[in-house]
Amino acid sequence: GEDVEQSLFLSVREGDSSVINCTYTDSSSTYLYWYKQEPGAGLQLLTYIFSNMDMKQDQRLTVLLNKKDKHLSLRIADTQTGDSAIYFCAAFKGGYQKVTFGTGTKLQVIP
Amino acid sequence: NAGVTQTPKFRVLKTGQSMTLLCAQDMNHEYMYWYRQDPGMGLRLIHYSVGEGTTAKGEVPDGYNVSRLKKQNFLLGLESAAPSQTSVYFCASSKSSTGELFFGEGSRLTVL
Repeated sequence: GEDVEQSLFLSVREGDSSVINCTYTDSSSTYLYWYKQEPGAGLQLLTYIFSNMDMKQDQRLTVLLNKKDKHLSLRIADTQTGDSAIYFCAAFKGGYQKVTFGTGTKLQVIP
Repeated sequence: NAGVTQTPKFRVLKTGQSMTLLCAQDMNHEYMYWYRQDPGMGLRLIHYSVGEGTTAKGEVPDGYNVSRLKKQNFLLGLESAAPSQTSVYFCASSKSSTGELFFGEGSRLTVL
């Protein structure tokens, strides 16, 4: 089955850019997602990218997809303390109605 | 707009006890899911449902049962709780099979 991997922790200074990386194993995944989890809360969808796209930009967020290497990244520009959270990468394969999540990357923003 | 609501939010059980977690969604979504979240392991799918009256096993179904008698509700049962089931449980729903999930706030279960 699908396997999604992320590093566990990232620390950045306020105002810098953050880049969170993710790798997945199933090249037939059709949608790739980034979810954000704030302390004590459920996950909320941040952004997503279709597998036939290379890049998607949404305000401060930029998603890059390298299908050849099965690598996904999320760049947060001008990182703020409110961006401190756990970020989950997720992969979805059409027809199976299942989403596979990575381990989550805890982003710490230092003021 | 309630979205996805889970009850209870916290529960402490003794080994061998049973309990049911209730998930309710008011968005008329077809798909519903139960995940567990453990440190360093991300979210793992326990069971899911693609419609009223249907359920299917996920990655870690052992020790759990589910039911989807009504479209808006998805119940997760533990028949005989074990300490390994100590976790935070998340319910999610989706209106289509695209992976865009709406999550509840989670239910923290401790089994002593």
